[in-house]
Amino acid sequence: RKEVEQDPGPFNVPEGATVAFNCTYSNSASQSFFWYRQDCRKEPKLLMSVYSSGNEDGRFTAQLNRASQYISLLIRDSKLSDSATYLCVVILSSASKIIFGSGTRLSIRP
Amino acid sequence: DTAVSQTPKYLVTQMGNDKSIKCEQNLGHDTMYWYKQDSKKFLKIMFSYNNKELIINETVPNRFSPKSPDKAHLNLHINSLELGDSAVYFCASSQGQGVTKNIQYFGAGTRLSVL
Repeated sequence: RKEVEQDPGPFNVPEGATVAFNCTYSNSASQSFFWYRQDCRKEPKLLMSVYSSGNEDGRFTAQLNRASQYISLLIRDSKLSDSATYLCVVILSSASKIIFGSGTRLSIRP
Repeated sequence: DTAVSQTPKYLVTQMGNDKSIKCEQNLGHDTMYWYKQDSKKFLKIMFSYNNKELIINETVPNRFSPKSPDKAHLNLHINSLELGDSAVYFCASSQGQGVTKNIQYFGAGTRLSVL
């Protein structure tokens, strides 16, 4: 089993739709969790951190389920500009290991 | 005013050559990283330095040698380049290593093509 797994997609949804994807991790010692966004031929950029209690930033909601060892990202009212690859990042305690998921491609159509 | 800058942006070279990629951050961060993103888009950490000290060294051929002259710079030197080294190399930095400090800021990437 991979340490961090994501559905590669692509998810192809219409503008205005709600889309959600998950990221599972295998190491229970994982301590920090993030979602990054990577546009084609660009560097990854932080979208949001994922907190234990769940957190929201505008149209984006991130949640952490430690019992089932996954994090999720929900995007409401999707925009064309949301088209990108979304990478989950899991960092083990003491930052001894940093693992990026392989990314989920999202394509928003007009 | 770029926060994490790496040079060159593109690097095309022959097999067997030695090349270096430079990275500088002006964020005042303590920790810097090198990542490799291959053609399948997997992003894998190679090295991490905290205050000029190596803290993460993943399984990377010893042809790759990072050097950190100070905490604002982390350069990557690659000896005897091979075809399989072709990839995009990203430099990144974070404030530190703790839970609230390990958000990473990436440079724009260096696209290395080995012919």
